[in-house]
Amino acid sequence: EAEVAQSPRYKITEKSQAVAFWCDPISGHATLYWYRQILGQGPELLVQFQDESVVDDSQLPKDRFSAERLKGVDSTLKIQPAELGDSAMYLCASSSPGTDDYNEQFFGPGTRLTVL
Amino acid sequence: QQQVKQSPQSLIVQKGGISIINCAYENTAFDYFPWYQQFPGKGPALLIAIRPDVSEKKEGRFTISFNKSAKQFSLHIMDSQPGDSATYFCAAKRGNYGQNFVFGPGTRLSVLP
Repeated sequence: EAEVAQSPRYKITEKSQAVAFWCDPISGHATLYWYRQILGQGPELLVQFQDESVVDDSQLPKDRFSAERLKGVDSTLKIQPAELGDSAMYLCASSSPGTDDYNEQFFGPGTRLTVL
Repeated sequence: QQQVKQSPQSLIVQKGGISIINCAYENTAFDYFPWYQQFPGKGPALLIAIRPDVSEKKEGRFTISFNKSAKQFSLHIMDSQPGDSATYFCAAKRGNYGQNFVFGPGTRLSVLP
């Protein structure tokens, strides 16, 4: 069964350092999402890509976060510099246009970030 | 208006019992209401979803009840099993844009053997 791949699974970093997360969506999925999930809360969308284009990054803290999907396949989310409040699970999801607008999102296992 | 409220925060049910999780929303533009199940260390997985033109949808032991006038929807898990122990998130979505896809805060379900 096709899955969304993410790496690393766990990342521990110190405040002010740079971190990067990688996501490989399900093959053929044009839409890719990055979510942040704080412990005990639901996921919050950070950025959505359609192919290589950003279609929604309104919730992305652009002073320190950046995301790219250069070839419209895999994607990288970067944080520089990391802050204590960035400690969370970072989830990647992908979806494919279906016969209607209700595209199911398939989530990866996430990257657990701890900022010390 | 973008929030989805969810209750209870945690739920303990005996094996074989019924688990009920409730959600409420404000934005009447939402037109798709999925429920996700998340096990520790895993990403959320779609469990069941409903559109507002139906009042109930059943898949196996899982049922969504939808009340459009009250802007509420709920998940019922019949014959709850220990393997159902997980965190459940309701969500609401409008169209294809992520800004309009919001999750509830989650309910941690524990089913006792």
